[in-house]
This record gives sequence, C-alpha cells and structure tokens, in this order.
Amino acid sequence: KNEVEQSPQNLTAQEGEFITINCSYSVGISALHWLQQHPGGGIVSLFMLSSGKKKHGRLIATINIQEKHSSLHITASHPRDSAVYICAVSNTDKLIFGTGTRLQVFP
Amino acid sequence: DTEVTQTPKHLVMGMTNKKSLKCEQHMGHRAMYWYKQKAKKPPELMFVYSYEKLSINESVPSRFSPECPNSSLLNLHLHALQPEDSALYLCASSQIRIDYEQFFGPGTRLTVL
Repeated sequence: KNEVEQSPQNLTAQEGEFITINCSYSVGISALHWLQQHPGGGIVSLFMLSSGKKKHGRLIATINIQEKHSSLHITASHPRDSAVYICAVSNTDKLIFGTGTRLQVFP
Repeated sequence: DTEVTQTPKHLVMGMTNKKSLKCEQHMGHRAMYWYKQKAKKPPELMFVYSYEKLSINESVPSRFSPECPNSSLLNLHLHALQPEDSALYLCASSQIRIDYEQFFGPGTRLTVL
C-alpha cells in the first residue's frame, strides 16, 4: 500500500464544474503539499499546509490531521486547469509523492 | 526572483557521452534537490544538498554525479548512461528543509540512445 494515496486517478469535467481531489496518507508528516504539473512541464507548488484551510483564487486546500486526509477543490473549473495534480507529504527529510490525479476540463 | 532555471531543456546523448545538467536559483534557498521523473509517474528523489553539502543520496548509480559549487548552483554530471535513464530530470529548491515550500525548475528532458 502506498504511503500517499490519491483519488481519483483520472477526472474529467465540464468547464464551470466544482472539482475535488482527495489525498490520504499513512505516515507522520510535517506538511502536505499540493503540486500541479502540465503535460511535459515542470511542477508548480500550489499549496503547502500543515493545518486547516488555504485559498488562492479558485483553488482551496484543506487538511484534517487527525484523519490524515487532505482535499484540493477547484471552483468554476476552466480548461486551463487541465493538468496532473500531485499530493506530496514532508516526512523526515524527503517528500513522499502520491501517484497524481490527471484532470481534464472540457469547454 | 522566485524562479529555478534549468539548462538544457532537452538533451540527447549516447551511452558513451559525458554531459552535465545545470540548475540555478537566486532565492537564497539553502536546500536543493534532484528528481527523476518517468512518464506518468511521480518524481523520484535522487539527491538532496543542504548548505552545499550532500545530505541524501537515494542509492543512485554512480553514473550520476551531483555537484553543488555554491549555494545558487546545482549540477548533475552524467556519464555512461543507459537507455532506461531517459526521463525528465527536475531540480528544486527550498528555504532550508524539505518541509518548506519547494520551487521546481522546468526540467531537462533527457534521451539516452
């Protein structure tokens, strides 16, 4: 079993829909990261959080430390949101990555 | 400047070649990382430098040789690579440690013939 599990693995949506991506982890962490990667591209850090909730524009990330669970929400999704979203946790001295969620948003 | 730059963007090399990948950041970060990413897989950590000293080597074969000449620069020297080493190589940096936000470069796409 992976230490960081994401669901769903693939997600398609129509423009404007509300999207949720989930991340569960089984190890102790100091922080959880949500990352975005466009096809063939580098990785962009969206959020780093250790408790509660953060919001940037249309993106919201929440974490429940007791349940070892985090969610990434995208409101009013847009085709430019199409990318792979990766959850990663800081554990001792390295990041442990989830396998990613591939999101496609159609106009 | 919140950017990590990597050169070259693309690299094709033969198995007998020697080449180097370069990474640079000017954010004053003291931790720098090399990752390898195969298609449709998450990144795999290769090396971590902390305050210009190698702190983690994830059992990477010796044909990959990292170097941190100063706090802004990170190199990855490549020699006698195998076709299975073809991948996207990502550099990242963070302020001090892994639990600080990581900033990633755009990557170097390496093809070994």
